[in-house]
Amino acid sequence: ETGVTQTPRHLVMGMTNKKSLKCEQHLGHNAMYWYKQSAKKPLELMFVYSLEERVENNSVPSRFSPECPNSSHLFLHLHTLQPEDSALYLCASSPGVGQLNTEAFFGQGTRLTVV
Amino acid sequence: AQKVTQAQTEISVVEKEDVTLDCVYETRDTTYYLFWYKQPPSGELVFLIRRNSFDEQNEISGRYSWNFQKSTSSFNFTITASQVVDSAVYFCALSESPKTSYDKVIFGPGTSLSVIP
Repeated sequence: ETGVTQTPRHLVMGMTNKKSLKCEQHLGHNAMYWYKQSAKKPLELMFVYSLEERVENNSVPSRFSPECPNSSHLFLHLHTLQPEDSALYLCASSPGVGQLNTEAFFGQGTRLTVV
Repeated sequence: AQKVTQAQTEISVVEKEDVTLDCVYETRDTTYYLFWYKQPPSGELVFLIRRNSFDEQNEISGRYSWNFQKSTSSFNFTITASQVVDSAVYFCALSESPKTSYDKVIFGPGTSLSVIP
């Protein structure tokens, strides 16, 4: 139990579908992250939110749309994805502002398959 | 630019053998942090250790030990008397001196360790 919960654990969607990934943390952390883990590739940082404000967007296609309604929740809205978007999507949180460079806590990930 | 290299893509050992996972990093900063994470088959990344650039003391935690050498920019991880439960992908990661309000961590490609009973 890491304190970071992701739902769903597995998701299969068609290229025309719209779906959302959810991440929840109750660790009191101020920063939340979305990472993409594709087969045979390093973990890629997609988005970072600090105090509910998006502070980094690493050239992610617009078919991925993050949302951070409060400091405990982070969503990744998916729309018209491509098969190459199939991957494990990991959410993480860290203390963030004022408590820098402590470890990030990761969720178990959502295994996404685009068909 | 930051970079983390884990040259070993896959390692297989027989249970009870010792195994060392290599990590070499690149950074221009003098202040930085190094991490090791474990990713079991269940998917989540589990934090193992954080080390700052000013602390070169080696660390031991049970069967795990870490050897940090700034002279060679390496932060190697050794598992002593490996067990089947150690089978996982292990990631080395680097975070430079904070310039922002969050942690920008760069991960290595990972080493997949299989411990055979």
